[in-house]
Amino acid sequence: GAGVSQTPSNKVTEKGKYVELRCDPISGHTALYWYRQSLGQGPEFLIYFQGTGAADDSGLPNDRFFAVRPEGSVSTLKIQRTERGDSAVYLCASSVSSGEQFFGPGTRLTVL
Amino acid sequence: AQTVTQSQPEMSVQEAETVTLSCTYDTSESNYYLFWYKQPPSRQMILVIRQEAYKQQNATENRFSVNFQKAAKSFSLKISDSQLGDTAMYFCAFINTNFGNEKLTFGTGTRLTIIP
Repeated sequence: GAGVSQTPSNKVTEKGKYVELRCDPISGHTALYWYRQSLGQGPEFLIYFQGTGAADDSGLPNDRFFAVRPEGSVSTLKIQRTERGDSAVYLCASSVSSGEQFFGPGTRLTVL
Repeated sequence: AQTVTQSQPEMSVQEAETVTLSCTYDTSESNYYLFWYKQPPSRQMILVIRQEAYKQQNATENRFSVNFQKAAKSFSLKISDSQLGDTAMYFCAFINTNFGNEKLTFGTGTRLTIIP
């Protein structure tokens, strides 16, 4: 079956612009996670959805970051007024409730 | 808060040899899982092996095995008969299994290169 997919694969934007990153989880997975991986670092947790609701958003760095999952499947991570420090690989993962997390290939965001 | 430490930023080993990657962690929780993930240049995180903290027996998956020392909070990965395809970043990760705590905490990774 299909794995977790993320679009776009790469995104280049200018400082101050708005971006949306999309994640399509594995069909039937109720839990969805977003992580951010800066260069040379391990992934850092951003937000976790159980169904449509954000069960834990404690990792979002500030109010410029927001994520939604309106129908309990696809999720969109939204970043307003992008800054150069937002440049990173954004990883999405999904799981069946509390099981193993399956990761997508990530979106590399570059803010010029 | 949990922390995961990987003290080896880079390692290299000849093909067919054995290599051990180190990981230590810090937590006050008693119930948790530990993982080793592999991240090749394609960026996709692939689960290599997992260990439940309540199990005393070390997990093994084919050429991959762990040495889990709960009292020392150590969780090392041994790769036997290393292959060129093992070249990748390897991340140690921790998850608290208490309900509602679903986030993985990762270490900074070890870049492993298998030399032909």
